[in-house]
Amino acid sequence: QKEVEQNSGPLSVPEGAIASLNCTYSDRGSQSFFWYRQYSGKSPELIMSIYSNGDKEDGRFTAQLNKASQYVSLLIRDSQPSDSATYLCAVTRASGSARQLTFGSGTQLTVLP
Amino acid sequence: GAGVSQSPRYKVAKRGQDVALRCDPISGHVSLFWYQQALGQGPEFLTYFQNEAQLDKSGLPSDRFFAERPEGSVSTLKIQRTQQEDSAVYLCASSWGGPNEQFFGPGTRLTVL
Repeated sequence: QKEVEQNSGPLSVPEGAIASLNCTYSDRGSQSFFWYRQYSGKSPELIMSIYSNGDKEDGRFTAQLNKASQYVSLLIRDSQPSDSATYLCAVTRASGSARQLTFGSGTQLTVLP
Repeated sequence: GAGVSQSPRYKVAKRGQDVALRCDPISGHVSLFWYQQALGQGPEFLTYFQNEAQLDKSGLPSDRFFAERPEGSVSTLKIQRTQQEDSAVYLCASSWGGPNEQFFGPGTRLTVL
């Protein structure tokens, strides 16, 4: 079992719809959670961070965290073709010397015009 | 301000050659990370520096991989006697420290022939 699991997709949604991306993690010591967007041939770009249970909204993006279920999700409202990319979920511990991000394999999102 | 920069952006090496990849983090960022990303996968952790101290090198795949950050700023990842399986994108990320958000450079795409 991978430490961070994501559906690889591809996930296709029509323009204007809500895209829902999901991620589960196995390490209960995980404390910080991030969503990165990666366009083809580019490096990961941070779009959301979340540290406590509940929802966090930033523009069209909402991150949701449920530590009891070890589940984190990203909702993209009013999806645009420019949102087409691979979305990477990443987690990290807050204690000890381990500061590195552990990534899922990413979900490829296509927004159809 | 400037983001994380990496050089070279592309490197082609013959099997057995040594290569050196450079990372210049965001000014003032204490923490610096190296990741390796294979095609279709999320980045995988290689090593982590806090200032000039290498606190974690557990992700380095073999003793052919070596990283340094002698003055706590620029870092170099060196790969000796490159092998075909070393072909990947090498990403550098920096952060203020702790479990905070990490920002990635553009990466170096290494191809070993």
